[in-house]
Amino acid sequence: EVQLVESGGGLVQPGGSLRLSCAASGFTFSSYWMSWVRQAPGKGLEWVANIKQDGSEKYYVDSVKGRFTISRDNAKNSLYLQMNSLRAEDTAVYHCTLYLNRGMDVWGQGTTVTVSS
Amino acid sequence: DIQMTQSPSSVSASVGDRVTITCRASQGISSWLAWYQQKPGKAPKLLIYAASSLPSGVPSRFSGSGSGTDFTLTISSLQPEDFATYYCQQANSFPLTFGGGTKVEIK
Repeated sequence: EVQLVESGGGLVQPGGSLRLSCAASGFTFSSYWMSWVRQAPGKGLEWVANIKQDGSEKYYVDSVKGRFTISRDNAKNSLYLQMNSLRAEDTAVYHCTLYLNRGMDVWGQGTTVTVSS
Repeated sequence: DIQMTQSPSSVSASVGDRVTITCRASQGISSWLAWYQQKPGKAPKLLIYAASSLPSGVPSRFSGSGSGTDFTLTISSLQPEDFATYYCQQANSFPLTFGGGTKVEIK
């Protein structure tokens, strides 16, 4: 069974940092693009970042450029999102997804990030 | 950035109804459009990719059409489990962008 399990969310003060992790199983992780997508409370979906199979290409939404870094460890079947200089508007549920055929084919259940003093 | 506009923002329908949701891109995106279904408290689920392709396991009552800037998601006969929020997403270029969502409610 294909599965994505996120972890690392929590409560952090504005300006703080968090590192999200996503453990992948049930598929050949190193063969696929991966994505992070977030959803603020009561709001719609917002794409955050994508990373190519070997990590050689990375793309970000403008609002997180320079603050967030997407990375992966194919040996550990894991995806990461390092989040620095966090703001209240980064408060959301963060989902990791398998990006296939230009669609987010499989989603994790999400991890909640709350930025508040 | 490509803006995605969905309409309507909400629709009330009954079981058995045909429901159509539209999505318009601010510029041409060929057929690089996906549709997702999200139920409360759950992660979204991919319904359609490449405008009209159904992933394995998605019921055939769901269909997608369109190319360029105008796209449609159709549910041919609404079932109780279809009451949810639906999102379109363009996959033509980065940054990837989603529509604002359409909530399908029980009439």
